[in-house]
Amino acid sequence: GIQVEQSPPDLILQEGANSTLRCNFSDSVNNLQWFHQNPWGQLINLFYIPSGTKQNGRLSATTVATERYSLLYISSSQTTDSGVYFCAVLNSNSGYALNFGKGTSLLVTP
Amino acid sequence: NAGVMQNPRHLVRRRGQEARLRCSPMKGHSHVYWYRQLPEEGLKFMVYLQKENIIDESGMPKERFSAEFPKEGPSILRIQQVVRGDSAAYFCASSPLAGYEQYFGPGTRLTVT
Repeated sequence: GIQVEQSPPDLILQEGANSTLRCNFSDSVNNLQWFHQNPWGQLINLFYIPSGTKQNGRLSATTVATERYSLLYISSSQTTDSGVYFCAVLNSNSGYALNFGKGTSLLVTP
Repeated sequence: NAGVMQNPRHLVRRRGQEARLRCSPMKGHSHVYWYRQLPEEGLKFMVYLQKENIIDESGMPKERFSAEFPKEGPSILRIQQVVRGDSAAYFCASSPLAGYEQYFGPGTRLTVT
């Protein structure tokens, strides 16, 4: 099946810093989503971005489908950004199941 | 528009009991997916259902696990004779069409004692 690799695995930032999270995938995709799992365990949809660039407040994402990667940018980080960020992809070989990466664990300190 | 609803949010079962997890998709969504997150692991797909049909159960353990999505009512994930290894967070997601953006519920955290 399709492989999804996220980097870095762990990240510690001071409040106000910017960061870039990366997601590499091994095959073409029909669907790519970014999620934030907060410390209470809830999965929050951030972006549905199989290609192109989107922005939502301090967050933005870019997917370059031809080069098989996606980036999630967090600007002016806040302590509430802490948690695990997951990238998940879907392609025709995986049916309709999202394949998740192992996540990037982010801690933002005051 | 209410999001995906799951209940219960927390469930404790003793070994050998049955666990029933419920999922109500977002309004207008007829596609439901179940995922499991084991401790220290990522999320893994279990099963994909449309109303009254199981479309893909390739991620479902062959024994003790079953899922349904009846014409009326929520989708149910049923685990019979639970074992400690079933302790995990179970997430349900829904989408308006197959292959479109999936929206996740808050999850049910199952603990088997």
